[in-house]
Order: sequence, then C-alpha cells, then structure tokens
Amino acid sequence: AQSVTQPDIHITVSEGASLELRCNYSYGATPYLFWYVQSPGQGLQLLLKYFSGDTLVQGIKGFEAEFKRSQSSFNLRKPSVHWSDAAEYFCAVGARGSTLGRLYFGRGTQLTVWP
Amino acid sequence: KAGVTQTPRYLIKTRGQQVTLSCSPISGHRSVSWYQQTPGQGLQFLFEYFSETQRNKGNFPGRFSGRQFSNSRSEMNVSTLELGDSALYLCASSLARGQGNTEAFFGQGTRLTVV
Repeated sequence: AQSVTQPDIHITVSEGASLELRCNYSYGATPYLFWYVQSPGQGLQLLLKYFSGDTLVQGIKGFEAEFKRSQSSFNLRKPSVHWSDAAEYFCAVGARGSTLGRLYFGRGTQLTVWP
Repeated sequence: KAGVTQTPRYLIKTRGQQVTLSCSPISGHRSVSWYQQTPGQGLQFLFEYFSETQRNKGNFPGRFSGRQFSNSRSEMNVSTLELGDSALYLCASSLARGQGNTEAFFGQGTRLTVV
C-alpha cells in the first residue's frame, strides 16, 4: 500500500539557517512526488513536483527537493529560511498511470522560524 | 486566471443535519478531488470526479457523497453529521485524469464545525 512518512512533526530553525524536511514513501513503482505548503486556515500551495528526469527539482520560494530512488526519499531543502516560510509542509505521492486526483499525503511537518 | 473556489468558507452545523459543500475548479480543469483534513487523521482522500463520474473513492462511509456537473463544478454532501466530521474539507482540481506532468491545485477549503 502507498504511504508517505514525514518523520519530523515539528522543526524549529533560526531565520537565515538552512532547512531540510524529510520525506520517505512506500510505493510499488516510482510515483509522482510533490511538496505542498499550508499556512494557517488556508489551502495547499504546490512548492514543487517530480515526475521524471533530473532528480533535483527546483520550486517556488527558493525551495528544492531531491528524489533518491534507492532511499525512497524526496527531501525538501532551502539554503536560507525566511520568517515567512513558517507554515506546515506536506509531502505527497501520486500514482503513475492513474489519476492524479488521488494523492497520498504525509502527516506534515510544522516549521517554526525564530527571528 | 481564477483559482479553485470553495464555498462556503465556514459552516457550523448540528449533529444529525446534512451539509453540502461546493467547489468550482480552475477553468478548463475536468478532474475534481475532495480531501478531509483533521488534526488526528491528517489529509485523507474522499473521492475524485472526472467527466461527471466518480472515478475513485476513499475509505469513508456512505454518508459522504458527491457529484460533478457538466461544467466540472463539484459538490460534496455529508448526511447525518457526526461530531467527528468537523474538519477542513479541501477541493483540488487538475487538468485531466491520468495525464502526466500536471498538478493538483487546491482551494482554500471549507471549515465545517459540527456541534
């Protein structure tokens, strides 16, 4: 069965520090991979996505993620965090060859940024 | 280009009542999916509609239903509301079903509170 694990429930970093949010997935084949961000009371905004090709993908707001097939991971990174990055981050997988309408989400990582 | 629009944004209902939530996808998008988000269970897939047909369904009781109209707008209905149905309900639209290199765009959600 498909599943997504985000091992860190809550991460706190100082503004300007680097950030890495972890995501591991369980899937029978290479899935589509996504990172979404959610601010309080809001919907989900797509940060970046991986479908195929280069395993290092760039997204919005200076985020990037690297797909590592051997580790079934898709970790999100940012070299220098801004206070406005404080939000909840969700990793998600979608099945290839099937509808993109069904995504499997991790439980999320809450990011706090200290000034 | 308008995003995904969900109405209403907030709802308060009494146990036993029923409720209908609405979602207008991005113009040209034909796939609409619904998700329930709660602190305890996270983001859970409810169902997906494409071309007015339910294509995929998550593990929810029959009290949860939905439909899609010819203009791709979608509604979901929850009958005989329970306290545990209190959640943020998110709608997502995507360009087409089973198409690679696309993505799901989320609305801001409807916050349902059952009292």
